[in-house]
Amino acid sequence: EVQLVESGGGLVQPGGSLRLSCAASGFTFSSYWMHWVRQAPGKGLVWVSRINTDGDSTKYADSVKGRFTISRDNAKNTLYLQMNSLIAEDTAVYYCAKGDPQPYWGQGTLVTVSS
Amino acid sequence: QSVLTQPPSASGTPGQRVTISCSGSSSNIGSDTVNWYQQFPGTAPKLLIYRNDQRPSGVPDRFSGSKSGTSASLAISGLHSGDEADYYCAAWDDILSGWVFGGGTKLTVL
Repeated sequence: EVQLVESGGGLVQPGGSLRLSCAASGFTFSSYWMHWVRQAPGKGLVWVSRINTDGDSTKYADSVKGRFTISRDNAKNTLYLQMNSLIAEDTAVYYCAKGDPQPYWGQGTLVTVSS
Repeated sequence: QSVLTQPPSASGTPGQRVTISCSGSSSNIGSDTVNWYQQFPGTAPKLLIYRNDQRPSGVPDRFSGSKSGTSASLAISGLHSGDEADYYCAAWDDILSGWVFGGGTKLTVL
């Protein structure tokens, strides 16, 4: 059974940093592109970033470019999202997701940016 | 402003068939497949349809998807109250090199 478990969310002050992790199991992690998607309270889904299988190709939404870094450790079956210079607009539930052709999402971790 | 366009709301009565549309462009729906998600309040999105019209194991055949050109549709037949949820379409975008989503459609069963 595919499982994705996010962790690392919490309350952080504006300008602060957080590192999210996503532990994967139940599938060959190293064979799939992985994504982070976020959802602000009461809002829709917004794609944040993606990484290819080897970790040498990454892309970001304009809203997080230069502040967030996606990475993966295929030996540990874990996806990461390093978030720096956080602003209030980054407040959201962050989901990690296994890529196409049949995506699967974790349960999400809440990040709150507030003073 | 979402890249894919969905109606913000849809409604139907029990037993009825409803459709939700999703409009995109040549860089996303026009060149790749569409996925549909169902989301209940406070829970993670659940994959309902992938590759335009494929249902994951466990998804009832009341749910069906289709795609034509740069648009896609999700149809739900035999509507019941348990289908009240938000529905999102998604696709790969060749320009962004990432996923794009619709703004979501809130389905109400009257």
